[in-house]
Amino acid sequence: DIQMTQSPSSLSASVGDRVTITCQASQDISNSLSWFQQKPGRAPDLLIYDTSNLETGVPSRFSGSGSGTDFTLTISSLQPEDIATYYCQQHEELPLSFGGGTKVEIK
Amino acid sequence: QVHLVQSGAEVKKPGASVKVSCKASGYSFTSYYVHWVRQAHGQGLEWMGIINPSGGRTSYAQKFQGRVTMTRDTSTSTVYMELSGLMSEDTAVYYCARAGWQLLSFFHYWGQGTLVTVSS
Repeated sequence: DIQMTQSPSSLSASVGDRVTITCQASQDISNSLSWFQQKPGRAPDLLIYDTSNLETGVPSRFSGSGSGTDFTLTISSLQPEDIATYYCQQHEELPLSFGGGTKVEIK
Repeated sequence: QVHLVQSGAEVKKPGASVKVSCKASGYSFTSYYVHWVRQAHGQGLEWMGIINPSGGRTSYAQKFQGRVTMTRDTSTSTVYMELSGLMSEDTAVYYCARAGWQLLSFFHYWGQGTLVTVSS
């Protein structure tokens, strides 16, 4: 099974800061990685699919990069509405697996 | 547009079973795989399994093998997830999620979630 390791588990940043979240796969997953944003009491929302493709309607301050085993989600300028927990997920093989999540807060 | 509407919250006793439904609309039901994911309170996301609504073929996470059954009803465009032998640790929000037309693809749409509480 593929393990997904996300870091940090939480972070606190100021509005306007550049925020980076990393996700590492235990084996090569090519570009089969998605990022989700989850706000309290809500289902996750797709942000980025296949490593770097922005879902329709997602602000351009979000971007994704990486390949193989190392991936990054970047928020170029943190906004108050970005307060949420972010998850990576691999869909390279079954069983699918998620990272442990990164809780983003405003400093 | 695509909608996945799940059944309402459930309270079950330990040892019982629960069946959660996920009614799809806005797309060709048999063309896209559906997954089930759960999330305990304050915890992360856990993949449970996948069903192909076209032929009904399923694949389950090892952890749930023998306890979970995913089925579908093409006449109502509904997918079901039944979990038996409930334990307190099964208390969680259960989500259905629609993926792509390939077996391995990203989750594009999610249901609103169904809270299942297991308590004596």
